[in-house]
Parts: sequence; C-alpha cells; structure tokens
Amino acid sequence: AQSVSQHNHHVILSEAASLELGCNYSYGGTVNLFWYVQYPGQHLQLLLKYFSGDPLVKGIKGFEAEFIKSKFSFNLRKPSVQWSDTAEYFCAVNARDTGRRALTFGSGTRLQVQP
Amino acid sequence: DGGITQSPKYLFRKEGQNVTLSCEQNLNHDAMYWYRQDPGQGLRLIYYSQIVNDFQKGDIAEGYSVSREKKESFPLTVTSAQKNPTAFYLCASSIGTVPGNEQFFGPGTRLTVL
Repeated sequence: AQSVSQHNHHVILSEAASLELGCNYSYGGTVNLFWYVQYPGQHLQLLLKYFSGDPLVKGIKGFEAEFIKSKFSFNLRKPSVQWSDTAEYFCAVNARDTGRRALTFGSGTRLQVQP
Repeated sequence: DGGITQSPKYLFRKEGQNVTLSCEQNLNHDAMYWYRQDPGQGLRLIYYSQIVNDFQKGDIAEGYSVSREKKESFPLTVTSAQKNPTAFYLCASSIGTVPGNEQFFGPGTRLTVL
C-alpha cells in the first residue's frame, strides 16, 4: 500500500522567506501527486497537481512543486512567502495502476508566517 | 453555486449513540469519499463510493457505515462500535471513476463524543 511522508510538521518563517516543504511517497509504479492547502476556517482546496509531463508544476498563489521520480519526492516550493500563506499543507498521492480511487494523504505541515 | 455541503458543522454525541453526518454535492460528481482528520495524522480514508448503490471500505472503516442511494448524497453513520469517534470528518467528491482525479472537499463536521 502506498504511504506519504511529510517530515516537516511545523514550519515557522518570516515574510519574504523562501519555502520548501518535503513530501515523499512509497510506491514504485505510476502516480498522481497533489498538494492541498487548508487555510484557517476554510475548506481544503487544491494547490497544484501532477499527472504527467513536465515534472515542474505551477499552482495557485505562486506555489510550485517538482516531481523527482528517482527520489519518490514531490516537494512544494514558494520563493517568497506572505502572511496569508499561513495554513496547513497536505501532500497526497494516488497510485494509478492499483485500482484504488481515493487519495492517500500525508500527515500535513503547519506553516506559520510571521509578519 | 456548486459545491459540497456538510451538516451539521458541530455535533455532540453521548457515548453509545449512533450519529449520522450528512454530505450533499451538486457538482454532478460520480465519486464521493469520507475522510477523518486528526491532529498530526492527516486525512485517513473511511469509505468511498464510485457509483450509486456501491461503496468500498477505506483504511479505517471499522465502526462506520455509509449508504449511497442517490448520486448527490453520501451520509456517514458513526456507530457506537467506533472506539474513538471524536474527530473532524471531511466529505469529498470527484468527477467520474478515473483514479486520482482532483477531489473537492466540503467544510467538514467536527464530532465530539461526551
């Protein structure tokens, strides 16, 4: 069964600092990869996704993620964070050839951006 | 205005009681899902359904039951057999039955067992 590891549980940054959140998954086959964000008091929403093609994907609000197949990683990056990026971030994976329809989520990373 | 609604937002239950959480979507999505969110554990899949009148157990189905009598509705019952039911419950839906399609989430129901 696939699993997802997010090693940073709580990250505190100052505004304008660069961000990189780690995500590693354990599955050797073809995967779809996602980053979701949960702002305080709001629905979980999609930040970006990778299905195929260019391994560097761009999402909303200036976020991007790079799929490195050899490292089983899909790290999330943003060059300059803002206070409004304070939220919880979840990496998720779906193993395309298993027939499993649902996503497997990581444990989440809580990002706190200080003004 | 399309989306997923969950009710109630907060729910309190006494030990030993069953309780049903509502989830409705008007996105015309075929697939629907229930997740449980606990601090530090992310989202864990309880049940999912690809089509009406069909559903499958997820990773933590024990103590829960579901039904899918209508495309737009996927209620979750938390039974007295669930040993640790206090949690935040999220419902989601996605288009079709293609694995890995983007899932859209509802606002969640926070269940507290007293």
